[in-house]
Amino acid sequence: QSVLTQPPSVSAAPGQKVTISCTGSSSNVGSNHVSWYYQLPGTAPKLLIYDNSVRPSGIPDRFSGSKSGTSGTLVITGLQTGDEADYYCGTWDSSLNGYVFGTGTKVIVL
Amino acid sequence: EVQLVQSGGGLVQPGGSLRLSCEVSGFTSSLYWMYWVRQAPGKGLEWVANIDRDGGDKRYADSVKGRFTISRDGAKNSLFLQMNSLRVEDTAVYYCARDGSGVSPDFDYWGQGSLVTVSS
Repeated sequence: QSVLTQPPSVSAAPGQKVTISCTGSSSNVGSNHVSWYYQLPGTAPKLLIYDNSVRPSGIPDRFSGSKSGTSGTLVITGLQTGDEADYYCGTWDSSLNGYVFGTGTKVIVL
Repeated sequence: EVQLVQSGGGLVQPGGSLRLSCEVSGFTSSLYWMYWVRQAPGKGLEWVANIDRDGGDKRYADSVKGRFTISRDGAKNSLFLQMNSLRVEDTAVYYCARDGSGVSPDFDYWGQGSLVTVSS
């Protein structure tokens, strides 16, 4: 089971903002950098944010990440219908000595 | 262009074996840690195993330790996952992924996924 907790779903109208939290512990989020992935149904995940707040080339600045203590946060502004997907956080867990993912959050555009 | 192309999934009976392959191109695979990640039907992502650049350091999730073996062949630019003693709960789409080598692991490129179904 996932050791990083995310809300099951978040929703907002087009053009609005959503915030997704990723809560972990001192052995994972608290001591390592967080990445964020999004996944459309039937497709492989794609990297959205790495090292807490860095966007890979091609990811629009509507997506931003941050981290404070044992929680990471993904913010999507100017929500678009194409943003409807599942979003996962992930990081290394120094106690488990393995990579851990969040429980996943479905973004719903109303 | 970076590509990770997977092969080897399928239907297998409980207790059986299967080998997944992930052929990479567009980058020097020996410069990157590589991972296997799986996703059971309707479920979230789960780390399975990872391997360092020269294949000397391998780590496994407790759920597969002792049954799965990750390996790589630099000459063939390929990553493998040998899965033995398969269980019904191993049914999932398996993805290979490249660690983009940020400060902490992050998966910047993924394979297309291989469906493994364990059923009698």
